[in-house]
Amino acid sequence: QKEVEQNSGPLSVPEGAIASLNCTYSDRGSQSFFWYRQYSGKSPELIMSIYSNGDKEDGRFTAQLNKASQYVSLLIRDSQPSDSATYLCAVIGSGGYNKLIFGAGTRLAVHP
Amino acid sequence: SQTIHQWPATLVQPVGSPLSLECTVEGTSNPNLYWYRQAAGRGLQLLFYSVGIGQISSEVPQNLSASRPQDRQFILSSKKLLLSDSGFYLCAWRGTVYGYTFGSGTRLTVV
Repeated sequence: QKEVEQNSGPLSVPEGAIASLNCTYSDRGSQSFFWYRQYSGKSPELIMSIYSNGDKEDGRFTAQLNKASQYVSLLIRDSQPSDSATYLCAVIGSGGYNKLIFGAGTRLAVHP
Repeated sequence: SQTIHQWPATLVQPVGSPLSLECTVEGTSNPNLYWYRQAAGRGLQLLFYSVGIGQISSEVPQNLSASRPQDRQFILSSKKLLLSDSGFYLCAWRGTVYGYTFGSGTRLTVV
């Protein structure tokens, strides 16, 4: 079983719609969770972090965490073509040294 | 402010040649530093991490090695490159609770 799993996509949504990206993780001791956005050929950039169960909102982005279900999600409201990218879910595991473990990423395509 | 530098941006190397990629961090001291590799169309794989000078931990047995000769310098090396070493190499540091910051990356093609 992979440590962090994501649907590879592509997830295609129309402009203005809500994009929903999901991620599951296997390490129950994980405490820190992140969403990164990566444009083609570029390095990942952090867009959201979440540490407690529930929702965390930042502009058009909402991260949701459910530790009991080992599930993290990212909602993007009012999706724009510029949101088209690969979204990487990442988790700091319980093994020490704050190692950040990534999922394979979900490719999002927002079409006009 | 803290910044992370990586070079070169692109590299084309023949099979069997050596490799040296460098990463430096500015504006902080004693950072945790990490090397990741991303194969084409894949996620990021953690290769090495370091919590201090001379301290290196390897995550995946492979043809690569890492060194940390100075507090804010992290180097990825190979004595003889393989075709399978091709990929996008990223250096990262953990500065705050807000996650990791990545360098701009080195795209390595082994031919």
